[in-house]
Amino acid sequence: SAVISQKPSRDICQRGTSLTIQCQVDSQVTMMFWYRQQPGQSLTLIATANQGSEATYESGFVIDKFPISRPNLTFSTLTVSNMSPEDSSIYLCSVVQGGGETQYFGPGTRLLVL
Amino acid sequence: GENVEQHPSTLSVQEGDSAVIKCTYSDSASNYFPWYKQELGKRPQLIIDIRSNVGEKKDQRIAVTLNKTAKHFSLHITETQPEDSAVYFCAASGGGFKTIFGAGTRLFVKA
Repeated sequence: SAVISQKPSRDICQRGTSLTIQCQVDSQVTMMFWYRQQPGQSLTLIATANQGSEATYESGFVIDKFPISRPNLTFSTLTVSNMSPEDSSIYLCSVVQGGGETQYFGPGTRLLVL
Repeated sequence: GENVEQHPSTLSVQEGDSAVIKCTYSDSASNYFPWYKQELGKRPQLIIDIRSNVGEKKDQRIAVTLNKTAKHFSLHITETQPEDSAVYFCAASGGGFKTIFGAGTRLFVKA
């Protein structure tokens, strides 16, 4: 499976600021996704990162709050904008390769907003 | 909307015993059912999956069963070991790759 890395691995941020999280894959992938996992909770899909076009957001998530870029088939960024303590969570990217269905996850970015 | 329910939320077993986690899904178009294991502080890792054209799949101590009619699927772990302790997530997906995850089961294996 693909090797997926995320930067930063963790960060502590002040409310009102923004943080951009990067997801890098070592091979071209078909699909890239961004998830949020709050402490002790399941995985919630934020959006599907589409290469060369606007991301597809799930209900409850909007582009102004979580802008996403995907300039090519191996890289994507998620920005958490105008952060509040409620945004404290783990953010994970995941990928699907080729014609498969299985999602493989990055190591996650642990965000704490003070 | 699509939903995946997972039970139990917590499961405690003695080492060597079996553990069973059950899930139900709502979307009849779902045709792919992966199971992930997430250890503390780590990423979710795929441990086994099953497709809708198969009723059962086994990989060493882990097996998954699927009942499409009832929209049920289950994870079975036999001869549990302390290193099996983790959170397990079931999931269901159909066309379009959108995957819905269950709430998770925290498994404790007591030595």
